[in-house]
Amino acid sequence: DTAVSQTPKYLVTQMGNDKSIKCEQNLGHDTMYWYKQDSKKFLKIMFSYNNKELIINETVPNRFSPKSPDKAHLNLHINSLELGDSAVYFCASSTGTSSRQETQYFGPGTRLLVL
Amino acid sequence: AQSVSQHNHHVILSEAASLELGCNYSYGGTVNLFWYVQYPGQHLQLLLKYFSGDPLVKGIKGFEAEFIKSKFSFNLRKPSVQWSDTAEYFCAVSGATNKLIFGTGTLLAVQP
Repeated sequence: DTAVSQTPKYLVTQMGNDKSIKCEQNLGHDTMYWYKQDSKKFLKIMFSYNNKELIINETVPNRFSPKSPDKAHLNLHINSLELGDSAVYFCASSTGTSSRQETQYFGPGTRLLVL
Repeated sequence: AQSVSQHNHHVILSEAASLELGCNYSYGGTVNLFWYVQYPGQHLQLLLKYFSGDPLVKGIKGFEAEFIKSKFSFNLRKPSVQWSDTAEYFCAVSGATNKLIFGTGTLLAVQP
């Protein structure tokens, strides 16, 4: 059973296009996250939603817009793709309780290549 | 500023050698500490975590880590590595917001 799933697994597209990446978790978690892993394998958080509400918004270009239709889904829409957007994007989820002691579980990643 | 440092970028070991990967953090307040592993082409998997209590934590696949508060360190250890341990290892820290801050990763290559 897949806990955190992402689609698509690979995405190759042209500069200037708009694309979306979808994430779903079946763990019953309330909090979901998007991370970007660059070509040097550095991982950085982009966004976090708790029960459909945005709670973390790092300094990400406003071309990136997360959308959470329900607490089991967190999608990432990217407008006007640029070469520098090429990366692996990981979705993650955690229980989202009021406790600060949470473990995040990651999806398989979406490898985005912008040509 | 909050940060995590992993000083070993690449480590090459022979099978059965002992492993220690360094992790130091800079974070104000109470921290949670994690080690994640990323096997080639795969997603991040949790190896172990520290929230509170015994500073020596044991994880999956024979890994352990020790939280030394005075040194702001959370080093990962394994007494005897296997070829299947070849992967990228990430140390991470979180606090009150549960935002994970990752180190730059250590690429471990185990030679059979």
